[in-house]
Amino acid sequence: GENVEQHPSTLSVQEGDSAVIKCTYSDSASNYFPWYKQELGKGPQLIIDIRSNVGEKKDQRIAVTLNKTAKHFSLHITETQPEDSAVYFCAANPGGYQKVTFGTGTKLQVIP
Amino acid sequence: DTGVSQDPRHKITKRGQNVTFRCDPISEHNRLYWYRQTLGQGPEFLTYFQNEAQLEKSRLLSDRFSAERPKGSFSTLEIQRTEQGDSAMYLCASHKELNTEAFFGQGTRLTVV
Repeated sequence: GENVEQHPSTLSVQEGDSAVIKCTYSDSASNYFPWYKQELGKGPQLIIDIRSNVGEKKDQRIAVTLNKTAKHFSLHITETQPEDSAVYFCAANPGGYQKVTFGTGTKLQVIP
Repeated sequence: DTGVSQDPRHKITKRGQNVTFRCDPISEHNRLYWYRQTLGQGPEFLTYFQNEAQLEKSRLLSDRFSAERPKGSFSTLEIQRTEQGDSAMYLCASHKELNTEAFFGQGTRLTVV
């Protein structure tokens, strides 16, 4: 089955700086890669996703890149703000009837 | 509210008791997932349904866990003879088609004392 590794587990940045979170996956059949943000006491919420036919996607201050050859994808948050502080999860979906597999999460702290 | 709804939000139970959680997915979402999440960890897959059919169940899931989705709409997750190690957040998610956004509920936090 799919295995997703995520780094770093914790990340502290100064407000206004950029944050980068990296994930690798094992199943070359995976073709959908969502990123979720989870705030304390809440369920994860999708913030951006990317499909395997695209190398990069951007939505305002958030961007995701995908390298299918190397089987890794990254989340980039620019001009970080205190409200970006949360736990971020990457995930990979091999498609078909297979389940979504999550990474172990990155706790991001933006220091004002 | 048209999001994924989970009930109850919190449950405290004594070891050995049975508990049942409910998830109401977004209407017309044919795929429904159950995940377990412990502190500091990502969601761990438990099981998922395509309509009323349970397509996969985690090997980590003991026989004490059972899930149903009898009419392809809401789902229940039952844990029998609870143990302290079952204490976790139980998350439900649903989505309509393959490779589309999965929407999560707020979760049910279980504490076994």
